Amino acid sequence: EAGVTQSPTHLIKTRGQQVTLRCSPISGHTSVYWYQQALGLGLQFLLWYDEGEERNRGNFPPRFSGRQFPNYSSELNVNALELEDSALYLCASSGRDFDQPQHFGDGTRLSIL
Amino acid sequence: DAKTTQPPSMDCAEGRAANLPCNHSTISGNEYVYWYRQIHSQGPQYIIHGLKNNETNEMASLIITEDRKSSTLILPHATLRDTAVYYCIVSLGATNKLIFGTGTLLAVQP
Repeated sequence: EAGVTQSPTHLIKTRGQQVTLRCSPISGHTSVYWYQQALGLGLQFLLWYDEGEERNRGNFPPRFSGRQFPNYSSELNVNALELEDSALYLCASSGRDFDQPQHFGDGTRLSIL
Repeated sequence: DAKTTQPPSMDCAEGRAANLPCNHSTISGNEYVYWYRQIHSQGPQYIIHGLKNNETNEMASLIITEDRKSSTLILPHATLRDTAVYYCIVSLGATNKLIFGTGTLLAVQP
């Protein structure tokens, strides 16, 4: 069974640019989650999508947004990039059962110059 | 803020059992205990979870105290590849956000 896949693995951008990160969940999973892991700040919850709808949002500005497609894949968009957006962006997916664990991909490493 | 407290670091000899403690004294009755680990530069890996009863899978065992205020993750025969940061998380279920604390850095020594 293929795990959660994310692309690209690495990305370098400059301040003010926009970026789109992509995530394919495990087959059969309907929920997709995004997390940010910045140096020294630990893993922080960004967004949760289920059945194409945004279900929950972490304490991040509106320039962080995303969407989920009918095939349950997801995109995370970040506009007006700032230096502090440099981080590992992790995507996770889970199935419909209430206590099913989230399974993570290996992330996209975003560096802002 | 994370609802769990873990020691910042632990050592374990290769081949011995690693016992990682976690305190979650404010856990509510419908919250699960999840354990993940993160090896450098990789995404967190799910290990095990439980609600009230002890659980075991091919990776580890989870022991939850009767009052549910603490738990222990047991890796029965630690190997060098088990060196990682281990996170204990309490959550209402998978469809809720996971709040990661700082975890325990387990160093398995040869």
